[in-house]
Amino acid sequence: AQSVTQLGSHVSVSEGALVLLRCNYSSSVPPYLFWYVQYPNQGLQLLLKYTSAATLVKGINGFEAEFKKSETSFHLTKPSAHMSDAAEYFCAVSNQGGKLIFGQGTELSVKP
Amino acid sequence: GAVVSQHPSWVICKSGTSVKIECRSLDFQATTMFWYRQFPKQSLMLMATSNEGSKATYEQGVEKDKFLINHASLTLSTLTVTSAHPEDSSFYICSASQGMGEKLFFGSGTQLSVL
Repeated sequence: AQSVTQLGSHVSVSEGALVLLRCNYSSSVPPYLFWYVQYPNQGLQLLLKYTSAATLVKGINGFEAEFKKSETSFHLTKPSAHMSDAAEYFCAVSNQGGKLIFGQGTELSVKP
Repeated sequence: GAVVSQHPSWVICKSGTSVKIECRSLDFQATTMFWYRQFPKQSLMLMATSNEGSKATYEQGVEKDKFLINHASLTLSTLTVTSAHPEDSSFYICSASQGMGEKLFFGSGTQLSVL
């Protein structure tokens, strides 16, 4: 069985500050890991994904995430937050079959 | 890039009526499509997985007679909410894949409000 836990349902940062969104996973098989962003009343947009290649994954909009097997983590970071980054972020795990298990989501607020 | 079109984006219906939501892959053949439901301030919950030409596989707790899924072609899957009730009001999102291990593409979602 696979599961995802996102620590913190809401994160608030100042514009220009570091963004850190936490995700821990559980999987009995080598996982594929994803981060998605969702803007209000919209579908999901893929930020980045880990598929057993490089452990540091770079995505769109300046986001990156590092896969740490020893910590079963896949935290999302961005060095400098922009106002446009305010959205809901979802971490997800897959067993390569395409079926995604999502975390509860983290709402990111960016203060001017 | 690959695009998944979901229609309608917003629907309001009366209790007891049925609503059909379409999910189309516009520039690729989607062998597998997934349907998710998202309640306000909650995560996406997988409802069912559909493969072209075969019956959908429903997740535990999802009523297959209420949420009818048809995946008749490699570019179209439909979700029909039958005899909708207010508790079915939710945001429904589809995703499509070209196959196992392939990248998933999400539709823009459908907000269903049942009065």
